[in-house]
Amino acid sequence: GAGVSQSPSNKVTEKGKDVELRCDPISGHTALYWYRQRLGQGLEFLIYFQGNSAPDKSGLPSDRFSAERTGESVSTLTIQRTQQEDSAVYLCASSFQAGDGDTQYFGPGTRLTVL
Amino acid sequence: DAKTTQPTSMDCAEGRAANLPCNHSTISGNEYVYWYRQIHSQGPQYIIHGLKNNETNEMASLIITEDRKSSTLILPHATLRDTAVYYCIVRGRESGGYQKVTFGTGTKLQVIP
Repeated sequence: GAGVSQSPSNKVTEKGKDVELRCDPISGHTALYWYRQRLGQGLEFLIYFQGNSAPDKSGLPSDRFSAERTGESVSTLTIQRTQQEDSAVYLCASSFQAGDGDTQYFGPGTRLTVL
Repeated sequence: DAKTTQPTSMDCAEGRAANLPCNHSTISGNEYVYWYRQIHSQGPQYIIHGLKNNETNEMASLIITEDRKSSTLILPHATLRDTAVYYCIVRGRESGGYQKVTFGTGTKLQVIP
């Protein structure tokens, strides 16, 4: 079956512009996560959606970052007034949370470059 | 802040077993140990997870100490394609869902021909 997909795969934008990144999770997965990975560094948690519960936004670095998810499907991560420090790979993961754990399946990421 | 500590890097000869250690001394009773790996320029890939017992699948084995404060991921016959960054994380269930995950910097495994 299809895995997690993300679009675009690459995005180059100018400082100050807004960008939208899209994530299509695996069908049936109730949980969806966004992470950021700067060059040479580990994954930084951004936000987590679980079913109809309020999202855990504790990882969002500033109010320029926001994310939405429609039901248990597509999610969009929006970065407003982009800054050069926003340049990173943005990774999305989804999981079907079950009693024996929560295995996350990652998409290929969107590489964002802010000039 | 990550709940795990791992060596920054390791080398392993091709065909030999790669043993990647992870310390998680503050792990709580309901937290699982997960291993993922990330090959250059790709999204992380799930490898294996466990709670108390040792686990084995087609990719690897996971050995968890009896006190659960550390674990070891074993790749039985490392190949060049196993060169990657390996992340050990712990994660448990809270009311309303699972804890958010914090990935550390992982262990960069270099398999040498």
